[in-house]
Amino acid sequence: AQSVTQLDSHVSVSEGTPVLLRCNYSSSYSPSLFWYVQHPNKGLQLLLKYTSAATLVKGINGFEAEFKKSETSFHLTKPSAHMSDAAEYFCVVINSGTYKYIFGTGTRLKVLA
Amino acid sequence: DVKVTQSSRYLVKRTGEKVFLECVQDMDHENMFWYRQDPGLGLRLIYFSYDVKMKEKGDIPEGYSVSREKKERFSLILESASTNQTSMYLCASSLASGTGTDTQYFGPGTRLTVL
Repeated sequence: AQSVTQLDSHVSVSEGTPVLLRCNYSSSYSPSLFWYVQHPNKGLQLLLKYTSAATLVKGINGFEAEFKKSETSFHLTKPSAHMSDAAEYFCVVINSGTYKYIFGTGTRLKVLA
Repeated sequence: DVKVTQSSRYLVKRTGEKVFLECVQDMDHENMFWYRQDPGLGLRLIYFSYDVKMKEKGDIPEGYSVSREKKERFSLILESASTNQTSMYLCASSLASGTGTDTQYFGPGTRLTVL
């Protein structure tokens, strides 16, 4: 069965420094993986998705993620954090053969001035 | 842009009441979903629908039912609200391209409090 594990429940960075949010997945098949962002009191917005094309995926707002099959990881990065990046981030894998998303438990990113 | 709207942003109900949460999407998507979101648990699927009048239980369907009479509208029903159903409820929709990679688009959420 597919699953995702977000390794940090909270991450704090200073504005202008790099962001790394970690996600490991478990899947018997070649997975489809997503990162979503949720700003306070808002719905989820798609940042980027991997669907077995290029392993380095670029998303919105300067975020990118790299699919590493050997490490079963799909970490989210951004070179320079902005105050507006403060939000909760979810890593998601699609359960193969269905439309169902399997969510990680989320990582709350705090950006310090 | 895909738009998914939910009927209420905040809702307060009393224990035992019947509660309806409404969701509407404007992109002719086949699939629609209801999730609940609780701190530290991420999002958990309650029900999803892959066509009008078709539904399938998710991971936590107990205490909930759903209705999909029209393609664009998907309702979540709490037959008899209980305090443990206090939560954020999120609706989503997606195409059904058959590729297994379809993006889900989310509504803004309804924060339900049951007293």
